[in-house]
Amino acid sequence: RKEVEQDPGPFNVPEGATVAFNCTYSNSASQSFFWYRQDCRKEPKLLMSVYSSGNEDGRFTAQLNRASQYISLLIRDSKLSDSATYLCVVTHQAGTALIFGKGTTLSVSS
Amino acid sequence: DAGITQSPRYKITETGRQVTLMCHQTWSHSYMFWYRQDLGHGLRLIYYSAAADITDKGEVPDGYVVSRSKTENFPLTLESATRSQTSVYFCASSEQGRPEAFFGQGTRLTVV
Repeated sequence: RKEVEQDPGPFNVPEGATVAFNCTYSNSASQSFFWYRQDCRKEPKLLMSVYSSGNEDGRFTAQLNRASQYISLLIRDSKLSDSATYLCVVTHQAGTALIFGKGTTLSVSS
Repeated sequence: DAGITQSPRYKITETGRQVTLMCHQTWSHSYMFWYRQDLGHGLRLIYYSAAADITDKGEVPDGYVVSRSKTENFPLTLESATRSQTSVYFCASSEQGRPEAFFGQGTRLTVV
């Protein structure tokens, strides 16, 4: 079993839709949590960090539930440009390697 | 600001040959990482380095060698390339005390 699990999708949604991705992690010692975005054949890029209090960046909202070891990403008012693979990522401590889920693919259509 | 760069971007090599993938960062980040990305496996850590002359194995280190004589460079060498090492390789770096990492553009390696 991988340390970080995600539903691979694909999620196919129309423009303007709200879509939610979920992720679970198995190591309770995990300390930092992120969502990265990866476009086809490109490098992963940091989308946002995830905090227990929840955090929002424009149309994107991330949430962390440490008790359930569960991370979520909500995208509101989806745009065509949101089409990508979203990677759930954890680390055990600063300076240690990022541990990736396999990613969830989102396709937004007009 | 060049950030983190990898070279070459594309490489085709033959089975049994030695090949080195280069990674250079201009941020003076302490930590550097090598990942490989394969369909069905996602991103897997090969090796990482906490500082110059300090390296450690990741999840899939077999068949690879790294060195870090200078903070800014972290080359990855395939000693004797095999077809199973056909993959996309990403180098990443992170700053001391900060967990998020930033990635190079990747090297697409094909072993024939």
